Amino acid sequence: GAGVSQSPSNKVTEKGKDVELRCDPISGHTALYWYRQSLGQGLEFLIYFQGNSAPDKSGLPSDRFSAERTGGSVSTLTIQRTQQEDSAVYLCASSFLDRGNIQYFGAGTRLSVL
Amino acid sequence: DAKTTQPTSMDCAEGRAANLPCNHSTISGNEYVYWYRQIHSQGPQYIIHGLKNNETNEMASLIITEDRKSSTLILPHATLRDTAVYYCIVSGIRSNDYKLSFGAGTTVTVRA
Repeated sequence: GAGVSQSPSNKVTEKGKDVELRCDPISGHTALYWYRQSLGQGLEFLIYFQGNSAPDKSGLPSDRFSAERTGGSVSTLTIQRTQQEDSAVYLCASSFLDRGNIQYFGAGTRLSVL
Repeated sequence: DAKTTQPTSMDCAEGRAANLPCNHSTISGNEYVYWYRQIHSQGPQYIIHGLKNNETNEMASLIITEDRKSSTLILPHATLRDTAVYYCIVSGIRSNDYKLSFGAGTTVTVRA
């Protein structure tokens, strides 16, 4: 497919477990973003990658959250020791920075922490 | 630190134009105005963006005032599938501020 792909689409986990969320951006896009959307809330920025480096991690809510990007492509968002307040839809987007930074979003991963 | 102000909601009749206003009075010279929408249970979808000139594409038109302190998104012929939350966002590509700051947006309901 030509769009941003995220997996899994749904994830149910128990409090205290670690989870990994994956994002496959559009091929060739240099920038990659993670956002999250809690129930009934707006989208909240988490982290931004340019290539494999993360110039802006300002939105990560705690040190339980981390992300990496390898090969300038796939990114993984890891949440350690999940808490119930981590329940949300996690959205990934990618873009060409030098073409207007139009961000294309995936369908998201719905995380439920029981 | 909301940079934009939008009405909470608006209704529109199917087939009519929908005009969505947005105030961004503190916009700086290197910030663009972006419009995205989010249909229920989907990821946000890019609609259009502009700096100071009016823009038009296959989805919508964007009218930016001369002082750039406000803009209007126009959906020329609204359909039921245009029912969504519409977000007006200012972002500064040239100031290394690449992230999108989503506010509450405008919930648009298109009625038959």
